[in-house]
Amino acid sequence: QQQVKQSPQSLIVQKGGISIINCAYENTAFDYFPWYQQFPGKGPALLIAIRPDVSEKKEGRFTISFNKSAKQFSLHIMDSQPGDSATYFCAASRAGTYKYIFGTGTRLKVLA
Amino acid sequence: EADIYQTPRYLVIGTGKKITLECSQTMGHDKMYWYQQDPGMELHLIHYSYGVNSTEKGDLSSESTVSRIRTEHFPLTLESARPSHTSQYLCASSEISGTNTGELFFGEGSRLTVL
Repeated sequence: QQQVKQSPQSLIVQKGGISIINCAYENTAFDYFPWYQQFPGKGPALLIAIRPDVSEKKEGRFTISFNKSAKQFSLHIMDSQPGDSATYFCAASRAGTYKYIFGTGTRLKVLA
Repeated sequence: EADIYQTPRYLVIGTGKKITLECSQTMGHDKMYWYQQDPGMELHLIHYSYGVNSTEKGDLSSESTVSRIRTEHFPLTLESARPSHTSQYLCASSEISGTNTGELFFGEGSRLTVL
């Protein structure tokens, strides 16, 4: 009930292509879905986040698509760049718990 | 820019030694967390704190202990390190926003190797 399942585990994309990472959850009480980006040797940093009252949120080249009925959300990186090469984590949180459940991470490599 | 600091960044020690990983934040956040990150990337919550003198165990069982005597400081201690404790430990903090979980700010991590 508390898991967040993330796929794929790794992803290789050509420069300029679209990177898509998917996450699925079971607990319908989750109400906050952030994506974190982690570069080697660094801690994760918030990239973009969404709440279930909207189906899509876009910030620059990064878009979250949210499907409440399917209990799925995904990160789309448009015009992927080598500088986007990092590990990406989806997460979910429930109001009042002040805790996050993280997905297992996706290693993205964007080829120049 | 997040102001959360972890020391040491890297530590190699022998089995049976006592170690303390330090974590400090200057943002005045009430909530602080310790995550253990496996070599395969997954993040597991091992301890969290809602404020001074408040500590709770996370979802992943850990032999480590924590304390929260000051708002800005959340150290993690292993009394007797073992090779199974080899991992990366990430400290994080967040602020309260009503009942909503706020953004997590992470430190750069402490990579522990126990020989």
